[in-house]
Amino acid sequence: AQKVTQAQTEISVVEKEDVTLDCVYETRDTTYYLFWYKQPPSGELVFLIRRNSFDEQNEISGRYSWNFQKSTSSFNFTITASQVVDSAVYFCALYRIQGAQKLVFGQGTRLTINP
Amino acid sequence: KAGVTQTPRYLIKTRGQQVTLSCSPISGHRSVSWYQQTPGQGLQFLFEYFSETQRNKGNFPGRFSGRQFSNSRSEMNVSTLELGDSALYLCASSLILAGNQETQYFGPGTRLLVL
Repeated sequence: AQKVTQAQTEISVVEKEDVTLDCVYETRDTTYYLFWYKQPPSGELVFLIRRNSFDEQNEISGRYSWNFQKSTSSFNFTITASQVVDSAVYFCALYRIQGAQKLVFGQGTRLTINP
Repeated sequence: KAGVTQTPRYLIKTRGQQVTLSCSPISGHRSVSWYQQTPGQGLQFLFEYFSETQRNKGNFPGRFSGRQFSNSRSEMNVSTLELGDSALYLCASSLILAGNQETQYFGPGTRLLVL
């Protein structure tokens, strides 16, 4: 079975601090995708990043960066120099390529950036 | 390109009634997935449609059904509503490449309240 765990329920930081959101996943599949989505108060899930299980290269995109480690089944997401507009609930998700193709979401981390 | 649209945005129903939710995918996207989001259960996969056929189904009772039209628009129906069906219902669309879904892009959701 697929499972995604986001151990941090809520995080609160002051603006301009860096913040890392943790994500640990379980799967027996050898190929899969990992995602991060952001859900602002409006409710819409906004796609942030996607990583293929074959590609462990970590990247930086603007203020976002991610650390994918297949050996520890972790896919952590970092926001650098956080801003108030980053306040939202962040979801990590796992997507199977074979079998039932669906997103399996973690429980989400509520991030509050205080001015 | 216009994003995923969902109608209505808000809905209030009473127990025992039925409801139909609508989703229009991004132009060119032929796969539509539905998710239910509740505070207790989080984000859960309902079903996925591609080319008017249901390809995958989550663990929901038969009261939850859906369909997809030739223009890729999808509807979701819930019959005999229960209080526990109160949730945010999210629709996502994606391309299909080599038989696999690509990134799912979400609509703003329909917030259903059952009284």
